[in-house]
Amino acid sequence: AQSVTQPDIHITVSEGASLELRCNYSYGATPYLFWYVQSPGQGLQLLLKYFSGDTLVQGIKGFEAEFKRSQSSFNLRKPSVHWSDAAEYFCAVGDLFSGGYNKLIFGAGTRLAVHP
Amino acid sequence: KAGVTQTPRYLIKTRGQQVTLSCSPISGHRSVSWYQQTPGQGLQFLFEYFSETQRNKGNFPGRFSGRQFSNSRSEMNVSTLELGDSALYLCASSLAGERSGELFFGEGSRLTVL
Repeated sequence: AQSVTQPDIHITVSEGASLELRCNYSYGATPYLFWYVQSPGQGLQLLLKYFSGDTLVQGIKGFEAEFKRSQSSFNLRKPSVHWSDAAEYFCAVGDLFSGGYNKLIFGAGTRLAVHP
Repeated sequence: KAGVTQTPRYLIKTRGQQVTLSCSPISGHRSVSWYQQTPGQGLQFLFEYFSETQRNKGNFPGRFSGRQFSNSRSEMNVSTLELGDSALYLCASSLAGERSGELFFGEGSRLTVL
């Protein structure tokens, strides 16, 4: 069955430090992969997506992610974290097997805290 | 451009009651999806509507239903509420024909079942 695993439930980094959030997926074909961010009391916002082509994807707010097929991973990175990046981050895969481009399977999320 | 609007934002119901949640998508978006978010189960897909037709459905009981109107606005209904239905219900819209997976989410309707 298709699934997404985010191994880290909570991560704390210092402002200005680099960040990497891990995401592993299980999917029987070429995956459509996404990272969304949710601030407290808000809905989700798309950070970036991977469909095909260049495996290094640039997103908004200075985030990037790298698709590694051999490792079934799609890790999110940012070179220098800002206090406003504190939020919950969700990795997701599009469930194309059921014909659902808009049917996403989400990971459990990683809550990011940023220390000043 | 207005974002996705969900009403009501908060509501409290008791077991056995039913509830209807409303979602107005971004203007021009014809696909509306619904997700349930709980601390235990995370984000789970409920269903997607496109041009007033249910295009996809998640693994939820028949108590969960939805519909979409000709103006793309959508409603979801939960009948015979259970304690476990307490959750944040998120609506997301996307462009017609754009199978991009780029969903624009509303802020959600937080349902508490007592």
